[in-house]
Amino acid sequence: AQSVTQLDSHVSVSEGTPVLLRCNYSSSYSPSLFWYVQHPNKGLQLLLKYTSAATLVKGINGFEAEFKKSETSFHLTKPSAHMSDAAEYFCVVSDLDQAGTALIFGKGTTLSVSS
Amino acid sequence: DGGITQSPKYLFRKEGQNVTLSCEQNLNHDAMYWYRQDPGQGLRLIYYSQIVNDFQKGDIAEGYSVSREKKESFPLTVTSAQKNPTAFYLCASSYNRDSYEQYFGPGTRLTVT
Repeated sequence: AQSVTQLDSHVSVSEGTPVLLRCNYSSSYSPSLFWYVQHPNKGLQLLLKYTSAATLVKGINGFEAEFKKSETSFHLTKPSAHMSDAAEYFCVVSDLDQAGTALIFGKGTTLSVSS
Repeated sequence: DGGITQSPKYLFRKEGQNVTLSCEQNLNHDAMYWYRQDPGQGLRLIYYSQIVNDFQKGDIAEGYSVSREKKESFPLTVTSAQKNPTAFYLCASSYNRDSYEQYFGPGTRLTVT
C-alpha cells in the first residue's frame, strides 16, 4: 500500500525567504505524486503533479517540486515566500486499487509567512 | 464556469439529527468523492461513486450515506449514527475513477452540538 509522510506539521518563514516543505512517500511501484494547497475554509487546489515525466516539476505561483526516487522524497520549494502563500499544503500519492485510482493524503503542513 | 459547488458553507445541527450536504458539479465528470477533514488528520475518504446509481464505501463510511441519482449530484447524509460528525467536508470529482487529478469544492463546515 502507498503512504505519504509530511515531515513538518508547521513551517514558519519570513516574506522573501525560501520555502521548503518536506514529503516522503512509500510505494511499491512508480507513483504519481501531487501537492495541493488549501487556504482557510476553502477547498483544495492542485499546485503541481509528477506523473513519471520530468523529475523537476513546476507548478503554479512559483512553486516547484523534485521527485527523488533514491530518497523517496517529493519536497516542495519556492525561492521567495509571499504573504499570500500562507496556507495548508498537502502531499498526495496516488494508489491503484481494485476500483481504480485513489488519492492518499498526508496530514498536511501549515505554512506561516511573516512580514 | 465549470466547477464544483457545495452548500451550505456552514451548517449547524443538534445531536441526533440527520443532515444532508449538497455537492453539484458541471464538469461532466463520472467520478465523485466525499472526504472528511479534521485538524492534523489530512483528508479521509468517506464514499465515492464511479457512475450514476453506483457508489462504494471509502475508509470511514460508518454513519454516512450517499446517493447518485444524477451525474451532476452526489449528496452526503450524515446520520445520527456518526459518533463525531463535527468536521469539514469536501466533495471532489474526477473525469473517471482511473483519473488521478481530482477537483475539489469549497467545502462545508458542519458543527453538531
